[in-house]
Amino acid sequence: EVQLVQSGAEVKKPGESLRISCEGSGYSFTTYWINWVRQMPGRGLEWMGRVDPRDSNSNYNPSFQGHVTMSVDKSISTAYLQWNSLKASDSGMYYCARSISLVDFDFWGQGTLVTVSS
Amino acid sequence: EIVMTQSPLSLPVSPGEPASISCRSSQSLLHSHGYNCLNWYLQKPGQSPQLLISLGSNRASGVPDRFSGSGSGTDFTLKISRVEAEDVGTYYCMQALQSYTFGQGTKLEIK
Repeated sequence: EVQLVQSGAEVKKPGESLRISCEGSGYSFTTYWINWVRQMPGRGLEWMGRVDPRDSNSNYNPSFQGHVTMSVDKSISTAYLQWNSLKASDSGMYYCARSISLVDFDFWGQGTLVTVSS
Repeated sequence: EIVMTQSPLSLPVSPGEPASISCRSSQSLLHSHGYNCLNWYLQKPGQSPQLLISLGSNRASGVPDRFSGSGSGTDFTLKISRVEAEDVGTYYCMQALQSYTFGQGTKLEIK
């Protein structure tokens, strides 16, 4: 069974750093890109970018470029989304989802809720 | 950036009645290889989005046949032939031709 399991909810202060994770199982982890999608409270879905588990190559939505870093540790089938300095506007639900050519976002993680508040 | 526009944004439907959601893109989503790079997702309350339809009209595994997708180029439609209570949630279209962008979402509720 394909699963993407994300790390738990986080509460942070502005300026703090954070790394959340997404562990894949039930499929060949290096075959599919891992994408990150943000959903702000009561809002729609925004694609943030993606990382290739084979070589850690990443592509970012220009709206998120420079503010987040996507990485992967293929030895443990886990992808990461990292912030070095959080802002209150980073509060939201973050989902990982896998993709490959012609197969986009067929499986999603359960989401990680990030709350940034002073 | 390709902009996706859905309508309506709110859709109250009685059980057993049909429902239809429109999705329009600012550029054609027809790939040079002949398929449309357009997916539909349903996000049920409190859950992650789930894939319903890929490549414009291909139902994902396990999706009931009351769901169907149609359209090509810039105009797409998701239809539910007979709405059931479990279909409640927000429906999103997403283009996958140039990176990924989502529509605003259509919230379906039962009357």
